[in-house]
Amino acid sequence: GIQVEQSPPDLILQEGANSTLRCNFSDSVNNLQWFHQNPWGQLINLFYIPSGTKQNGRLSATTVATERYSLLYISSSQTTDSGVYFCAVEGGGSNYKLTFGKGTLLTVNP
Amino acid sequence: DTGVSQNPRHKITKRGQNVTFRCDPISEHNRLYWYRQTLGQGPEFLTYFQNEAQLEKSRLLSDRFSAERPKGSFSTLEIQRTEQGDSAMYLCASSLEVRTEAFFGQGTRLTVV
Repeated sequence: GIQVEQSPPDLILQEGANSTLRCNFSDSVNNLQWFHQNPWGQLINLFYIPSGTKQNGRLSATTVATERYSLLYISSSQTTDSGVYFCAVEGGGSNYKLTFGKGTLLTVNP
Repeated sequence: DTGVSQNPRHKITKRGQNVTFRCDPISEHNRLYWYRQTLGQGPEFLTYFQNEAQLEKSRLLSDRFSAERPKGSFSTLEIQRTEQGDSAMYLCASSLEVRTEAFFGQGTRLTVV
């Protein structure tokens, strides 16, 4: 099946700093989503981005499907950005499920 | 639109007991998915439904696990004869159709003691 690798596994920032999270995937995809998992375990949708670039406030994402990677940018980080960020992909063909990476644990210190 | 709803939020059970979780998807969403997440890992796919039809089951879904989606609305996930290894967060998601954005519920955290 499709493999998803996220880097870095852990990231510690000071409030106000910028960061880039990366997601590499091993095959062509029809869907790619970025999630933020809150402390209570719920996955919050950040972006649905199988290709191209999107922005939402301080967050933006870019997926280069031909090169099999996606990037999540967080600017001017805040303590509330802390948590685990997951990339999930839905492969091609009849593979209709999301495959998740192991996530990036982001800690933003005041 | 109230989002995907899961109940209960937490469940503590003794080893060997049966448990059942419920998921109510976003209305009009045809696809419903179950995932399991253990500590420090990303969610892993268990099974999914297109309306009432269960179309795929992961090898993670042993014979002790069964899922249903009667009438294509809510879904239940039952675990029989629970084991300590079943302790995990069980997540439900729904999407309108294939290749569309999936939305997750708050999850049910199961602890088997």
